[in-house]
Amino acid sequence: ELKVEQNPLFLSMQEGKNYTIYCNYSTTSDRLYWYRQDPGKSLESLFVLLSNGAVKQEGRLMASLDTKARLSTLHITAAVHDLSATYFCAVLDDKIIFGKGTRLHILP
Amino acid sequence: KAGVTQTPRYLIKTRGQQVTLSCSPISGHRSVSWYQQTPGQGLQFLFEYFSETQRNKGNFPGRFSGRQFSNSRSEMNVSTLELGDSALYLCASSPWFDPYSYEQYFGPGTRLTVT
Repeated sequence: ELKVEQNPLFLSMQEGKNYTIYCNYSTTSDRLYWYRQDPGKSLESLFVLLSNGAVKQEGRLMASLDTKARLSTLHITAAVHDLSATYFCAVLDDKIIFGKGTRLHILP
Repeated sequence: KAGVTQTPRYLIKTRGQQVTLSCSPISGHRSVSWYQQTPGQGLQFLFEYFSETQRNKGNFPGRFSGRQFSNSRSEMNVSTLELGDSALYLCASSPWFDPYSYEQYFGPGTRLTVT
């Protein structure tokens, strides 16, 4: 069964710092997704990565996919408080499987 | 353009009852997917529909069922509710035949509490 593991599960960081969230998965899928969820809210699609080596950037967030390593990263550059949220990665096998989420808390 | 709407937004039911949740996708979107989110199990895929056809189903018991209408609106039904069915139920729509080839648009969710 496909497993999707995110780490860390909780991250508290200072504004202005850089950090990376990791998403490891156990299948050969080349379709990976990142979502954001604010407390008490729904999901928001952030990135759709559909091939090995795919890199997408939006503002201070950049996502990449290495299908050979079965690894995706979500890099945060010069974090700001507004990026505080829970970030989920998900991998598509025969069904979409989500990681447990990384709760990101950015301190002003 | 209006977003994805889900009704009701909040619902309280008793064990053993049944419940129907509704999702109206963005106009022109024909793909609808449903997800369950609980603190214990996290986010889990329930169903995927395109043009009234269920194309995929998650690992949920037969108490969970769904359908899609010709106007792309979708409903999901849970019969014989259990306490563990308490969750946030999310619906997402996409204009694409393959809903995972591009971003999906999520509704606000229906929070179901089973007592």
